[in-house]
Amino acid sequence: DSGVTQTPKHLITATGQRVTLRCSPRSGDLSVYWYQQSLDQGLQFLIQYYNGEERAKGNILERFSAQQFPDLHSELNLSSLELGDSALYFCASSAPSGGSYNEQFFGPGTRLTVL
Amino acid sequence: DQQVKQNSPSLSVQEGRISILNCDYTNSMFDYFLWYKKYPAEGPTFLISISSIKDKNEDGRFTVFLNKSAKHLSLHIVPSQPGDSAVYFCAASASYGGSQGNLIFGKGTKLSVKP
Repeated sequence: DSGVTQTPKHLITATGQRVTLRCSPRSGDLSVYWYQQSLDQGLQFLIQYYNGEERAKGNILERFSAQQFPDLHSELNLSSLELGDSALYFCASSAPSGGSYNEQFFGPGTRLTVL
Repeated sequence: DQQVKQNSPSLSVQEGRISILNCDYTNSMFDYFLWYKKYPAEGPTFLISISSIKDKNEDGRFTVFLNKSAKHLSLHIVPSQPGDSAVYFCAASASYGGSQGNLIFGKGTKLSVKP
């Protein structure tokens, strides 16, 4: 158990809909990262938050957004869903310094299926 | 453009023998490298890392070798055990520049260790 929790575990929805994925980092971790893993693909970095502020953006679509709240939990919002958004979405957190040499600890993921 | 490449999608090894997983990278700004192991229906688990100032890091049965001139790293597992069967992801990070701290992942290598 990494200490990172994600809800829900599974999500099935229809095209055009909007969903919210939730992540609680390990106790004390200030950085939260979101990744997408599509079929046969590696993990694609989407976005990073550090202590409530957006720190870096990766390959995140404009239809997607995220935020980190004062209690450090984070939410990833996916809107106008398309079939191609079906994937595993992982959240990770890292130690308080937010520096580059801190290992990231991953949650169990949310499997999103868009029908 | 893939910055981290794992060219072998799968590898099969006999129990007790050595497993060697390879990873190549293209971005010379990467200075920290990590290996993650992933079981089905779970998030990736950190395994071992290496900084670019080293060429080898060992942790029990796991050793990571880094060849900076070739932009190549490898993970050796000796001896391999059936419980090591999983997907192994190579990841890289740069300590400076706009993407510092973010991990760039390869697509993974599925290791099967046969009893």
